[in-house]
Amino acid sequence: DGGITQSPKYLFRKEGQNVTLSCEQNLNHDAMYWYRQDPGQGLRLIYYSQIVNDFQKGDIAEGYSVSREKKESFPLTVTSAQKNPTAFYLCASKREGGLAGNQPQHFGDGTRLSIL
Amino acid sequence: GQNIDQPTEMTATEGAIVQINCTYQTSGFNGLFWYQQHAGEAPTFLSYNVLDGLEEKGRFSSFLSRSKGYSYLLLKELQMKDSASYLCAVPWNYGQNFVFGPGTRLSVLP
Repeated sequence: DGGITQSPKYLFRKEGQNVTLSCEQNLNHDAMYWYRQDPGQGLRLIYYSQIVNDFQKGDIAEGYSVSREKKESFPLTVTSAQKNPTAFYLCASKREGGLAGNQPQHFGDGTRLSIL
Repeated sequence: GQNIDQPTEMTATEGAIVQINCTYQTSGFNGLFWYQQHAGEAPTFLSYNVLDGLEEKGRFSSFLSRSKGYSYLLLKELQMKDSASYLCAVPWNYGQNFVFGPGTRLSVLP
């Protein structure tokens, strides 16, 4: 079955440490996204990528970095510069082409990141 | 800019009907999505509206008025499993990304 896999499900970060969240999809989708969700709030866009080897900053990119070396993979690194990383992180993908705006996003199950 | 507003919380009784509203301001409209998100889980797609009117899908229906910048999600015959957050989202930047509302947390009581 096609889908999006995020790992790990839970992650703990020590002060000054960089951590990387994995996101893999086998839906053959071109576009991939990273969102952050804080308790009681909606999703805020961190980074997105429309195509391999290209990505764009979202609304809250500071303290985060991404890469898109393969179509299937879009890992997110939470750097030590992100001072408040505790949140639920969601990865999504979407089919492009045609009327791209009318395609829904498909989400992974999320990674919950906490500070030790 | 883009802005989406939804009520924060709603409560309804099992078997009843509930309407969850969403108002939006966006430059260039390209449809509106509704997602359901159970606590600690991924959002799942419910509906998409791009033309005015009501789209029905079983117990769930979604309505859009583009002139008013307004949409609602109608849930009928509520079940306990419908307790979740409901997010509305609009694509922008030619559909390249999305703006999400804050979500409405619905509690269904027995």
